[in-house]
Amino acid sequence: QQQVKQSPQSLIVQKGGISIINCAYENTAFDYFPWYQQFPGKGPALLIAIRPDVSEKKEGRFTISFNKSAKQFSLHIMDSQPGDSATYFCAASRETSGSRLTFGEGTQLTVNP
Amino acid sequence: NAGVTQTPKFRILKIGQSMTLQCAQDMNHNYMYWYRQDPGMGLKLIYYSVGAGITDKGEVPNGYNVSRSTTEDFPLRLELAAPSQTSVYFCASSYKQGSSYEQYFGPGTRLTVT
Repeated sequence: QQQVKQSPQSLIVQKGGISIINCAYENTAFDYFPWYQQFPGKGPALLIAIRPDVSEKKEGRFTISFNKSAKQFSLHIMDSQPGDSATYFCAASRETSGSRLTFGEGTQLTVNP
Repeated sequence: NAGVTQTPKFRILKIGQSMTLQCAQDMNHNYMYWYRQDPGMGLKLIYYSVGAGITDKGEVPNGYNVSRSTTEDFPLRLELAAPSQTSVYFCASSYKQGSSYEQYFGPGTRLTVT
């Protein structure tokens, strides 16, 4: 059972544009929603994370928007740069699960100069 | 700190062979994980451990085994390798800091079974 669905699978954006990646989850017990960034040949690294008690979290050019009633959350990358080109994974977990993460399928982002 | 280290970086196995993927962390994290990453499929949890001597199955444990005799090491054993185990394997570790369970990933092991 796929518990976290991510879209789109790939995304091409021009430099300076806004990149938007969406995720939907099924398990209402999830209480931690991180986004990971992965460059080719590297392991994923935490980019930004949110708890469901807030609807938005911003760190620099990266923003998570969270809609608890719709069971959806999204990553917005403002002023996208070629250096942002990477694969992005959304994930979800619940505190009682020992921080086990359920990952989305990933989105390959390409930012053209 | 070296963080999470994995060896080997690459490996080619023949069908039916066995091998152990090594993972070590020097951050004194109690949680450790093994994932496999296949194209377009995200990361799937194979096994995880909440501390030395404690392991449990994840989403896709068949064909794998783990052990956790120390806090630092979490090796993944493949018995009777099959082509379906061709994948990139990532080890990760974490600890609870406030409300965050940030997982730190190793660089991965690319395994091909032919």
